[in-house]
Amino acid sequence: NAGVMQNPRHLVRRRGQEARLRCSPVKGHSHVYWYRQLPEEGLKFMVYLQKENIIDESGMPKERFSAEFPKEGPSILRIQQVVRGDSAAYFCASSRTGGITEAFFGQGTRLTVV
Amino acid sequence: GQQLNQSPQSMFIQEGEDVSMNCTSSSIFNTWLWYKQDPGEGPVLLIALYKAGELTSNGRLTAQFGITRKDSFLNISASIPSDVGIYFCAGQVLGGATNKLIFGTGTLLAVQP
Repeated sequence: NAGVMQNPRHLVRRRGQEARLRCSPVKGHSHVYWYRQLPEEGLKFMVYLQKENIIDESGMPKERFSAEFPKEGPSILRIQQVVRGDSAAYFCASSRTGGITEAFFGQGTRLTVV
Repeated sequence: GQQLNQSPQSMFIQEGEDVSMNCTSSSIFNTWLWYKQDPGEGPVLLIALYKAGELTSNGRLTAQFGITRKDSFLNISASIPSDVGIYFCAGQVLGGATNKLIFGTGTLLAVQP
């Protein structure tokens, strides 16, 4: 997966807790995308960020979800007050130029809400 | 929302057989992509198609971008056990955000040695 690092790989949270998912893009990549994959479904777009800016968040739920990609450090997807329906695999991808066709996906974080 | 209809949902074949899967959409796409996802991993890009009618090969894989821009197929020839996985089509909607992909529901491929 060409160096996109996501952690943790697995995350278990109780209902009502916060989940923080981290994505370190490939070195030199300044564009990050987050996708969510529910069991036995395809990936669904959530948000596209370019260093310090949210470019497109049309796939993000309006409440409880937020994303950031600070100047220094990894991109963070934060889910507040998690519910069972948030259980899914969350994938991050990064690219150098902003073209999704040139992006590499990470291995994902599997969130389980109990 | 927009969605891609991918078929078949699953395929169970013998090693050496050829495989074909396809995606259709009610929307026009300007780019079609095919990905493979192994268990517990992220999707890996196999083939990208940029032009209607384009036919592209990558080793034993061949994919085509439909003339109507609403469909694409992927063929795998002489399958081997390591072809096992879930194959997803994905597309960028014509005139839509350039960085947002719509994914199909996937085709699970099992290859028996």
